[in-house]
Amino acid sequence: GAGVSQTPSNKVTEKGKYVELRCDPISGHTALYWYRQSLGQGPEFLIYFQGTGAADDSGLPNDRFFAVRPEGSVSTLKIQRTERGDSAMYLCASSPQGANTGELFFGEGSRLTVL
Amino acid sequence: AQSVAQPEDQVNVAEGNPLTVKCTYSVSGNPYLFWYVQYPNRGLQFLLKYITGDNLVKGSYGFEAEFNKSQTSFHLKKPSALVSDSALYFCAVSGSNQGGKLIFGQGTELSVKP
Repeated sequence: GAGVSQTPSNKVTEKGKYVELRCDPISGHTALYWYRQSLGQGPEFLIYFQGTGAADDSGLPNDRFFAVRPEGSVSTLKIQRTERGDSAMYLCASSPQGANTGELFFGEGSRLTVL
Repeated sequence: AQSVAQPEDQVNVAEGNPLTVKCTYSVSGNPYLFWYVQYPNRGLQFLLKYITGDNLVKGSYGFEAEFNKSQTSFHLKKPSALVSDSALYFCAVSGSNQGGKLIFGQGTELSVKP
């Protein structure tokens, strides 16, 4: 399809394990965003890429979280030593420019459950 | 620091009646304001935005929003609600010096009854 694709849609892991979440943005979109949404809350900003570089990573909660976008397209969010508090829906969005001037196109999310 | 407040967790409206979902914001510099909608088991969808210009902006599905600078508000409105409008609505803001980072409110659940 032509939309933002996120895999896996659901991930269940055990505390302490390593997790990777993948985002495939809309072709040609230079801006890519990761958000985290807990139940009953609004999306919380994690990191924003413009091309290959992280333009703003101020939302990453600690150094267990890391994201890459090596070729300016697909992005991977990596979480080390997962904790139960990391359980949430992780949302990816892309935009042809930045969010200031245009809408964000969101994927359906990856639901992470840490047991 | 930027922030968005949606004071109502839930709004209940009868079909055919007008609806308002409230949003207030705090941002340094000129605000860029957005509304997004989230249907069950679907991704967030863009509804409308205010960047500059006319304070009343029109968006998808008959929705509109009014930017009020003095009240720092950006309430979402629709003249006649449909049952299919029932969903979770999020207000979001970005500052002109923020490089594209959107800050979202907590969300308001809209329920439209027949």
